[in-house]
Order: sequence, then structure tokens, then C-alpha cells
Amino acid sequence: DAGVIQSPRHEVTEMGQEVTLRCKPISGHNSLFWYRQTMMRGLELLIYFNNNVPIDDSGMPEDRFSAKMPNASFSTLKIQPSEPRDSAVYFCASSGTSGRAYTQYFGPGTRLTVL
Amino acid sequence: RKEVEQDPGPFNVPEGATVAFNCTYSNSASQSFFWYRQDCRKEPKLLMSVYSSGNEDGRFTAQLNRASQYISLLIRDSKLSDSATYLCVVVYTNFNKFYFGSGTKLNVKP
Repeated sequence: DAGVIQSPRHEVTEMGQEVTLRCKPISGHNSLFWYRQTMMRGLELLIYFNNNVPIDDSGMPEDRFSAKMPNASFSTLKIQPSEPRDSAVYFCASSGTSGRAYTQYFGPGTRLTVL
Repeated sequence: RKEVEQDPGPFNVPEGATVAFNCTYSNSASQSFFWYRQDCRKEPKLLMSVYSSGNEDGRFTAQLNRASQYISLLIRDSKLSDSATYLCVVVYTNFNKFYFGSGTKLNVKP
């Protein structure tokens, strides 16, 4: 079975550029999460969707960050304009509605470097 | 105060040792608990859920203490391959809130 798919796996960009991260959740899962991980701050939840609707975006750092989930099989996280402090690993995770509803399955992450 | 707190470690133990980590949480309304494992430069992966009565999976034992608001993970007969960072997760189901701890690093030495 395919797990959570993220692209790109690595992204190097210059300050001020727009960055778009992509995620395909596990088929049948109805919750999708975007996380950011850094050495200093650990794993931070940025936003959480349930049935394609944003439920909690309180972790989105500022207006430069936006996330969308146009359908059940795709989500994007956009940073515009990017800044060096956005450098981190961004994980997407999904969870389903069966007995292990709150078990989250993570994608391999996108390692973002903003120069 | 953080919702979930863990000792960052590192815990340096020899092969074969028994090691235990705790994770404290601040909100008594929490309802679900998990331990995840994260290898260096990899994504977190579910290790085990934590049930109210405690549960065991091979060399791993997870326990929940609601009165003191902490969960624990015990690893017996440590292997070199157990070296990783262990993250606890607390879920407040009623509020759809999920909190990851910052992780405890374990180094198992030969």
C-alpha cells in the first residue's frame, strides 16, 4: 500500500521566493496534518484538515503561510514570500476513521532550505 | 507551560539494558495516547498506542497514569537498533487537538 506521498523531497530556494509543498494522503483517510520540525522547536502542528475542511490552523506561523486541500487526495502548503527562518523539514500526515482513527501516518517529509 | 513535556535526553545505555522514558501532559481531558519513534532524518512512525490498563508489545511496555498525568515507555533488553528519538503524543479527542512531545533521544551502545 502506498503511504503518504510528499513532494518535493528537497527544496532549496532563495529568500523571497514562493515555495509550494505537496501531499497526497493515504487513500481513505479523512484527516490530514501539516507539521514543521526544527532542532530548536521540535515537531509543530501547523494546520489540520478533516474531510478537506481546515479545522485548526492556529499553528500557522503567519500570513506568509497558507494551506489548501481541494480534494480528499491532495493538499498543498505554500510559503510566500519565503524567509531563511522557514528552513525546516515539513511533514504531512494523514489518519483515518477506523478503530485507530488517531494514528497518524507520516510522509517522508520535505527538507526546505531558504538561503 | 507546554501541553506535553519530555526529557530530551540523551539516554545513553548499553546493549541489553532496560530503559524507561516518561512523558507528562497538562490537560486531564486528554483521551488518547501514543508513542512514536523517529530515526535520524526520517519521519515519525507509530511505535504503539497506550491503553489505560497498560500494554506490551514484545520488549516494549507502555503505561498510562491518569492520576499523575503521565505516560511511560519501558524498553527491555535494548538493541542497537532501538537508538532513535521517542515522541509521545497526547490527543484531546473532544477538541480535535493533537500534541507531540519534543522527543527523548536514546543511544544504545555496544
